[in-house]
Amino acid sequence: NAGVTQTPKFQVLKTGQSMTLQCAQDMNHEYMSWYRQDPGMGLRLIHYSVGAGITDQGEVPNGYNVSRSTTEDFPLRLLSAAPSQTSVYFCASSYTLAGADTQYFGPGTRLTVL
Amino acid sequence: AQSVTQLDSQVPVFEEAPVELRCNYSSSVSVYLFWYVQYPNQGLQLLLKYLSGSTLVESINGFEAEFNKSQTSFHLRKPSVHISDTAEYFCAVSRSGGSYIPTFGRGTSLIVHP
Repeated sequence: NAGVTQTPKFQVLKTGQSMTLQCAQDMNHEYMSWYRQDPGMGLRLIHYSVGAGITDQGEVPNGYNVSRSTTEDFPLRLLSAAPSQTSVYFCASSYTLAGADTQYFGPGTRLTVL
Repeated sequence: AQSVTQLDSQVPVFEEAPVELRCNYSSSVSVYLFWYVQYPNQGLQLLLKYLSGSTLVESINGFEAEFNKSQTSFHLRKPSVHISDTAEYFCAVSRSGGSYIPTFGRGTSLIVHP
């Protein structure tokens, strides 16, 4: 199994540009989520999905869109990039949302918005 | 709602010294507790977790954590650290029973000096 994969690893955008961060998992996990990691702020939940066709907002959803058309893929779209979105983005998945389930994280995408 | 407090943002230690990374949680219901580790430029990965049973849980690389219900703590310890233990450590809490998105602490940076 490849686990959770994310592309690209690095990205530089100009203010106002849009882009999609890709996330895929091959473990047949129901639950997938996106976090951003900023210094001193820990992990903040952006959006999550409990299955294909079902998504919901997390703690910091503004400026981001998601969709879940398949179990495997959960892309994160930046609609109009802003410098405040400079961050490291992690995708995570787990078998279900049962409390005992381990979260599996991707390697991250480091995004810089100029 | 659950919350997690990691009391130290950074813990510097010398190689072969013991270390304790502190984690306290608050919850009105039974919880599951996790420690995740993030090595430089990587995603998070599970280090150990407490679900039930023995309150002392161990990882394969010598870390251990003890669930203390009365003090609502889940501190992580290692009797002798290595340079390779340098990483960011995240405590997380989830609720037992039903579906629940885990709550992560802000992380503790363990820096091991030679």
